[in-house]
Amino acid sequence: GQNIDQPTEMTATEGAIVQINCTYQTSGFNGLFWYQQHAGEAPTFLSYNVLDGLEEKGRFSSFLSRSKGYSYLLLKELQMKDSASYLCAAMDSNYQLIWGAGTKLIIKP
Amino acid sequence: DAMVIQNPRYQVTQFGKPVTLSCSQTLNHNVMYWYQQKSSQAPKLLFHYYDKDFNNEADTPDNFQSRRPNTSFCFLDIRSPGLGDAAMYLCATSRGTTGANVLTFGAGSRLTVL
Repeated sequence: GQNIDQPTEMTATEGAIVQINCTYQTSGFNGLFWYQQHAGEAPTFLSYNVLDGLEEKGRFSSFLSRSKGYSYLLLKELQMKDSASYLCAAMDSNYQLIWGAGTKLIIKP
Repeated sequence: DAMVIQNPRYQVTQFGKPVTLSCSQTLNHNVMYWYQQKSSQAPKLLFHYYDKDFNNEADTPDNFQSRRPNTSFCFLDIRSPGLGDAAMYLCATSRGTTGANVLTFGAGSRLTVL
């Protein structure tokens, strides 16, 4: 079957760096997405990776290794507003999105 | 600003009483999706439209129906809500369905079933 694994919850300190991991198993692969979702709100797009390597976008970076079925989202200089759930989603060969349950990130002062 | 708007934001209904949730978009996107999301769970795709073509997920209960009368609007009808249908319902849009297909979500409609 197809599935996404990511940690349920992580805690980090304001100003620090945190890495949120995601492993995926899909039938074929057409890219991996990260979305941010604040409590009670809609997901918003953060990043898309389809080739191996690191994509940097300001304080957020996303990494992909297709051979390992692995991605991570790196958040630098954490701010309190970064407290949210981070959803990993992989697109399979039929262009269907397989979603993870999200990683709840708690930022402490 | 181009956006996806869902109404109502909060809906309370009684067990078995039909509910309609609406979604409108000003992005002129071809694809509109309805997702169900329960607390701390992954969004679950119920169905999507590519233009007027309706695509139902195999495991979407018959209790859930959808209509897309035009490009801008899409509705989710829950014919006989049960307690298990209490959830956040998210509408999303995208230009297409392939490649770097970024979804733009509405703020969601939270359904409570009494």
